[in-house]
Amino acid sequence: GAGVSQSPSNKVTEKGKDVELRCDPISGHTALYWYRQSLGQGLEFLIYFQGNSAPDKSGLPSDRFSAERTGGSVSTLTIQRTQQEDSAVYLCASSLRDTNQPQHFGDGTRLSIL
Amino acid sequence: AQRVTQPEKLLSVFKGAPVELKCNYSYSGSPELFWYVQYSRQRLQLLLRHISRESIKGFTADLNKGETSFHLKKPFAQEEDSAMYYCALLRDSGAGSYQLTFGKGTKLSVIP
Repeated sequence: GAGVSQSPSNKVTEKGKDVELRCDPISGHTALYWYRQSLGQGLEFLIYFQGNSAPDKSGLPSDRFSAERTGGSVSTLTIQRTQQEDSAVYLCASSLRDTNQPQHFGDGTRLSIL
Repeated sequence: AQRVTQPEKLLSVFKGAPVELKCNYSYSGSPELFWYVQYSRQRLQLLLRHISRESIKGFTADLNKGETSFHLKKPFAQEEDSAMYYCALLRDSGAGSYQLTFGKGTKLSVIP
């Protein structure tokens, strides 16, 4: 596609449920990032994938969060046993090679935990 | 729809010269605006927020609602300012719904 695609655009779920967010990066981009933006806060880095290398998971807030990137393309961010503080906009971005390249952002998934 | 425009993909200035990174937005309500920075081989990080009215690393940004702009400025550029800069707009509808939109970014290169 022409840009980074994220789905769903909105997700409302009950506390305690698991959710899965998807990111389809720009074709050919080897670097992929997940961020989240909570209300009233700045952007928070979650995880970074570069090609087939092991991801940088240092930003994941708890062990309830995990992410995969299959085949070096599509990525899924999974949140288990969701809590209300998980409510945020989850942004995905991709760049051509590495962190030295401009990032292209998706529109985000707005996650609301009831 | 809200939109954030950063008209310059690349901006090169000499060390010690003033810097202005332009950001214009399109939004009919009261926006919350941010500048994010990404230094080489580092992750994206928040530089400043307009509601804080703060100066970080010598940078300031003033929200001009009349011109719908939020330009980032620094009077004297330093080599360590070389980075990618992103302007972002957060819209809060006040009903638990909000949306974040980023500009495409400006790469600042400070020439020694």
